[in-house]
Amino acid sequence: KNEVEQSPQNLTAQEGEFITINCSYSVGISALHWLQQHPGGGIVSLFMLSSGKKKHGRLIATINIQEKHSSLHITASHPRDSAVYICAVRLWEGGSQGNLIFGKGTKLSVKP
Amino acid sequence: AAGVIQSPRHLIKEKRETATLKCYPIPRHDTVYWYQQGPGQDPQFLISFYEKMQSDKGSIPDRFSAQQFSDYHSELNMSSLELGDSALYFCASSLWAANYNEQFFGPGTRLTVL
Repeated sequence: KNEVEQSPQNLTAQEGEFITINCSYSVGISALHWLQQHPGGGIVSLFMLSSGKKKHGRLIATINIQEKHSSLHITASHPRDSAVYICAVRLWEGGSQGNLIFGKGTKLSVKP
Repeated sequence: AAGVIQSPRHLIKEKRETATLKCYPIPRHDTVYWYQQGPGQDPQFLISFYEKMQSDKGSIPDRFSAQQFSDYHSELNMSSLELGDSALYFCASSLWAANYNEQFFGPGTRLTVL
C-alpha cells in the first residue's frame, strides 16, 4: 500500500465547476505539499500545509492532521487548470529535514 | 523573485556516456534535493545536501554521485548511462531552518538516453 494515496486518479470537469482532489496518507508527517505539473513541464509548488487551511486565488487547500487527510479545491475551474496535481508529504523524522514522498497524482482535464 | 535554476533543460546522451546536471538554488537557500521522475511515474527522491554535506540518501544508483558546492549550487553526476536513466530530473531547494523547510522546485532537466 502506498504511503500517499490520491483520488481520483483522473478527473474531467466542465469549465466553471468546483473541483476537489483528495489525498490520504498513512504516516506521521511534518508538512504536506500540493504540487502542479503541466504535461512535460516542471513542478510548481501550490501550497505547503502543516495544519488548517490555505487559500490562494481560486485554490483552497485543507488538511486534517488527525484524520491524515488533505483536500485541494479549485473553484470556478478553467481549462488552464488542466494539469496533474500531486500531493507530497514530508515524514516526521524527529525534527530532521526529510525528503518528500509523492502520491501518484491526479490528472485533471477541464473542458471549455 | 528568483527561482530554482536547472541546467541544461534538455540533454540527450548515448548509453554508457556520462552526464552532469546542475542546480542553482534560490538565493540564501542552503539545502538542495534531487528527484527523478521516469515516464509516467511519480517523482522519486535521490539525494539531498545541506551546507555542502549529504543530508539524506534515497534511491540513487551507485553510478550517480552528487555534491553541493560552497555557493550552494549542486551537481548530479551520472556515469555509464542506461536507457532506464531517461527521466525528468528535478531539483528543489529550501532554507533548512525556515517554515518547515518548504521546498521550491526547479523546472527540471529532461534527460534522454539513446
